[in-house]
Amino acid sequence: QLVQSGVEVKKPGASVKVSCKVSGESLSGYGISWVRQAPGQGLEWMGWITAHNGNTNYAQKFQGRVTMTIDRLTKTIYMEMRSLTFDDTAVYYCARDLPYTVLAMDVWGQGTALTVSS
Amino acid sequence: DVVMTQSPRSLPVALGQPASISCTSSQSLVYPDGNTYLTWFQQRPGQSPRRLLYKVSNRDSGVPDRFSGSGSGTDFTLKISRVEAEDVGIYYCMHGINWPYTFGQGTKLEIK
Repeated sequence: QLVQSGVEVKKPGASVKVSCKVSGESLSGYGISWVRQAPGQGLEWMGWITAHNGNTNYAQKFQGRVTMTIDRLTKTIYMEMRSLTFDDTAVYYCARDLPYTVLAMDVWGQGTALTVSS
Repeated sequence: DVVMTQSPRSLPVALGQPASISCTSSQSLVYPDGNTYLTWFQQRPGQSPRRLLYKVSNRDSGVPDRFSGSGSGTDFTLKISRVEAEDVGIYYCMHGINWPYTFGQGTKLEIK
């Protein structure tokens, strides 16, 4: 199960750090993708991180503005986004993702709503 | 990046009738391991996406057998044999052949 942090409201230019806690299983071998969904829009993949060694892969659009990290002690994955704009208003989801396996994007968190407003 | 194109964008269907959604990719989704990495998700109103089918046609646990997936290469189809009220929502296809993953624009299924 993936449990995400709560609603966030930020001003333009600020940063946000969203968490995704793994419960009920080991983090070993885990991978997590982050996906966002702007209001009334479709799904957009942001990037991926592996618990194995912390390696990441970001969509080009988010390179340099997003950082994904893992705290193995608390089994929590973080997605930090900087220099927020109004266009970053969206629901952010984490999903278990072990590419090329049956565990690719099979379990999703409940989503974290971010509103960027002045 | 791989472009995923879905049709139709809106799908009104009467209860008990079949439904079909098409998804086309801009390049083959066959990976060197021989598998085809095309996934279908359902997103009910106000909920997180839920994976329905992976590798084209493999149903996830708990997914009713009225949902089926088919296709190969670049052309794929999600079929619902008899639509039920709980099937209302938006359906997305997604490729998983490489990064970045990309999704289709979504198909909104509603009851006619």
